[in-house]
Amino acid sequence: NAGVTQTPKFQVLKTGQSMTLQCAQDMNHNSMYWYRQDPGMGLRLIYYSASEGTTDKGEVPNGYNVSRLNKREFSLRLESAAPSQTSVYFCASSDLGQGERNEQFFGPGTRLTVL
Amino acid sequence: QQQVKQSPQSLIVQKGGISIINCAYENTAFDYFPWYQQFPGKGPALLIAIRPDVSEKKEGRFTISFNKSAKQFSLHIMDSQPGDSATYFCAASLNQAGTALIFGKGTTLSVSS
Repeated sequence: NAGVTQTPKFQVLKTGQSMTLQCAQDMNHNSMYWYRQDPGMGLRLIYYSASEGTTDKGEVPNGYNVSRLNKREFSLRLESAAPSQTSVYFCASSDLGQGERNEQFFGPGTRLTVL
Repeated sequence: QQQVKQSPQSLIVQKGGISIINCAYENTAFDYFPWYQQFPGKGPALLIAIRPDVSEKKEGRFTISFNKSAKQFSLHIMDSQPGDSATYFCAASLNQAGTALIFGKGTTLSVSS
């Protein structure tokens, strides 16, 4: 049981390049999320998918697109990377289970630098 | 609009002391209040959480105090240890499937030995 996995762990891009961050979970969770973490800013929601087949914008969606490929996988795409997108990206998943806690389980993160 | 405000930004506590981190929220519809702990290079992990029907929840050395009327909640770490040194985030959400968490900006705790 790996939980939430993310690839790659590190990435350096040049301005204008594109890339896709991959996320997969093996906990059979319905909901998945993408956050970015910047120093002093906490975690800010980029996009989320409440269930397979649905996606919604979060607080900071500009410059990003997402795809909920299936129940397990949720990818984040940067079409034309900008230095402002230099950040650590976390994927998370959740489901209301025992105790009805909206606990989110986070992956290890992808550290992205855009030059 | 910052819906969850967290303070202090950083905290230094002596080993054995009490660490206290405070959060305030704005949306009265929130009904799930977790605290996450994050070590350097790792993803956040749930530490403890509370629902608004209780005023306090304790798990080992960690306690959440919740004040619904003031829209505030706090994390108390008793007998703080060097291994508690990490970044702590409070959050709030509706306790519904598929609801995103709104995070505070985080508190970096250093426990000196």
